[in-house]
Amino acid sequence: AQSVAQPEDQVNVAEGNPLTVKCTYSVSGNPYLFWYVQYPNRGLQFLLKYITGDNLVKGSYGFEAEFNKSQTSFHLKKPSALVSDSALYFCAVRPYHYGGSQGNLIFGKGTKLSVKP
Amino acid sequence: DVKVTQSSRYLVKRTGEKVFLECVQDMDHENMFWYRQDPGLGLRLIYFSYDVKMKEKGDIPEGYSVSREKKERFSLILESASTNQTSMYLCASSMQGAEADTQYFGPGTRLTVL
Repeated sequence: AQSVAQPEDQVNVAEGNPLTVKCTYSVSGNPYLFWYVQYPNRGLQFLLKYITGDNLVKGSYGFEAEFNKSQTSFHLKKPSALVSDSALYFCAVRPYHYGGSQGNLIFGKGTKLSVKP
Repeated sequence: DVKVTQSSRYLVKRTGEKVFLECVQDMDHENMFWYRQDPGLGLRLIYFSYDVKMKEKGDIPEGYSVSREKKERFSLILESASTNQTSMYLCASSMQGAEADTQYFGPGTRLTVL
């Protein structure tokens, strides 16, 4: 079965420290990988995606993610956390489909990031 | 900027009522999606559509139906609302094609069924 796992329900970080939000996936074929963020009472916003090429992907708000094929992981990182980064983060994977419907995103359950001053 | 709008931010309905949730996107996207979001469960796909009048079931279609009569509008229908359908409902849209398949989300509708 195809799936995405976010092993941590919550991550707590002090402002200014580096942060990592973990994601692992299990899909057939070459996956497209995504990170989305949800601020309180808002819809999801796209942060970054990996399709192919360089394993380190840079996205919005200073975030980056590293694709590791051997570990089937796509962890989200930021060198220096801000209080305003506090939000719910979702990892998602889109299995590549040949023809037919376009394929859909499979979302993880989300990780709540809390950055304290 | 892509804009996805949902007809209501908050909605309260009674058990057994028929409920319509409307979603409109203004970027001529082919694909549209309806998810529900529940704490600890993440986002679960209810239905999606990749063309006008086309629909496909997602992971949890039971108790829901959809309508897509125009490209920009995708409606989610709860034929007879039940308390276990109390949730946050999120609509999304995307282009087709491998490189452009990023989903854009609306602000969500928080539905409470009493």
